[in-house]
Amino acid sequence: SQTIHQWPATLVQPVGSPLSLECTVEGTSNPNLYWYRQAAGRGLQLLFYSVGIGQISSEVPQNLSASRPQDRQFILSSKKLLLSDSGFYLCAWSGGLAGGSSTDTQYFGPGTRLTVL
Amino acid sequence: GNSVTQMEGPVTLSEEAFLTINCTYTATGYPSLFWYVQYPGEGLQLLLKATKADDKGSNKGFEATYRKETTSFHLEKGSVQVSDSAVYFCALRVAGYALNFGKGTSLLVTP
Repeated sequence: SQTIHQWPATLVQPVGSPLSLECTVEGTSNPNLYWYRQAAGRGLQLLFYSVGIGQISSEVPQNLSASRPQDRQFILSSKKLLLSDSGFYLCAWSGGLAGGSSTDTQYFGPGTRLTVL
Repeated sequence: GNSVTQMEGPVTLSEEAFLTINCTYTATGYPSLFWYVQYPGEGLQLLLKATKADDKGSNKGFEATYRKETTSFHLEKGSVQVSDSAVYFCALRVAGYALNFGKGTSLLVTP
């Protein structure tokens, strides 16, 4: 069966510090991968998605970036965190299909709670 | 564009009460519809889904029917339990990759 891991589970960082959040998927090949952010009292916002190694699409311009160095690894980064980057970050995967499309259902990891002070 | 509107919470119910959480959508194509549940401190879990009009998704006693004529996908459960306390998200997906989520509805079930 497929599993998705995220770490760390919680993180407290000062403003201006760098960020690296990691997500890995097991039990599937060539998944589509996603980073979402859930801010307090708001819904989920798609930040990035990836259909393959080195292929990243950004949905929202900001000071965050994403990378996919391996098929089942997705990393969210920042060089300098802002207060507004605080939130709950969720990684998700869905099945990749030929031609770069995706199966319907997305499966989510346990999330990382980021607090920027 | 594509969007989801769901009822604002929090919703507070007594155990064994009937639950309805309303969800309506606007979409440019023919969406697949989903309900996800988020328990405190955890990620989202898929609760149920429907991919075409008149489909009924069901899981763990929860049901939702894809109503194209009313563009709705309301979540129902006949008898809620304390363990159902969570935040429930309605979502849709049309072509492309993104899921469009509602803002979530918090449910608290009291003994």
